[in-house]
Amino acid sequence: AQSVTQPDIHITVSEGASLELRCNYSYGATPYLFWYVQSPGQGLQLLLKYFSGDTLVQGIKGFEAEFKRSQSSFNLRKPSVHWSDAAEYFCAVGAGAGGTSYGKLTFGQGTILTVHP
Amino acid sequence: ETGVTQTPRHLVMGMTNKKSLKCEQHLGHNAMYWYKQSAKKPLELMFVYNFKEQTENNSVPSRFSPECPNSSHLFLHLHTLQPEDSALYLCASTERGASTDTQYFGPGTRLTVL
Repeated sequence: AQSVTQPDIHITVSEGASLELRCNYSYGATPYLFWYVQSPGQGLQLLLKYFSGDTLVQGIKGFEAEFKRSQSSFNLRKPSVHWSDAAEYFCAVGAGAGGTSYGKLTFGQGTILTVHP
Repeated sequence: ETGVTQTPRHLVMGMTNKKSLKCEQHLGHNAMYWYKQSAKKPLELMFVYNFKEQTENNSVPSRFSPECPNSSHLFLHLHTLQPEDSALYLCASTERGASTDTQYFGPGTRLTVL
């Protein structure tokens, strides 16, 4: 069974500071990995995803994430945070190549990001 | 309308009521999903429909009854709910239902069961 852990429930950073949100996954084969963001009153929006190839993936809004197989991690980073980045961030893992899960994703419990001016 | 829409956005119901949640996607997708989002818990996948056929029922109680009349519409019929069913119910769709697909989410229905 696949699982996702986001160790930080709540993170506070100052505007302009760098950001790293942690995500650790458990999956027996090659995972498909995603980061989604949810603003208050909104559904989730995809930031970026990793399937294969270059382990550093670029996403929207200046976010990037790095897949580290040895650490079972897929941490999300941004070099300079903007006040509009305040939201809840979810890491998710899907069955990789050969899986038959019909697009089933397992989500972490989320990290709430607060940005101070 | 674009993307994924959900109605109503807010719903308050008693435990003996019957109500329905509606989801519509305007993306030409073929797979649709219902998720439950409770406070301090990960998103819980409830149901998956692929080309109108139910392909996943994640041990959801029978008081939740999904319906997918076509690839664009998904309903969640609710009856005799419990207070612990209060949550944000999110609908999502994907192009093919594949693991590599991006899931497009609606804004959700905030359900309160009294």
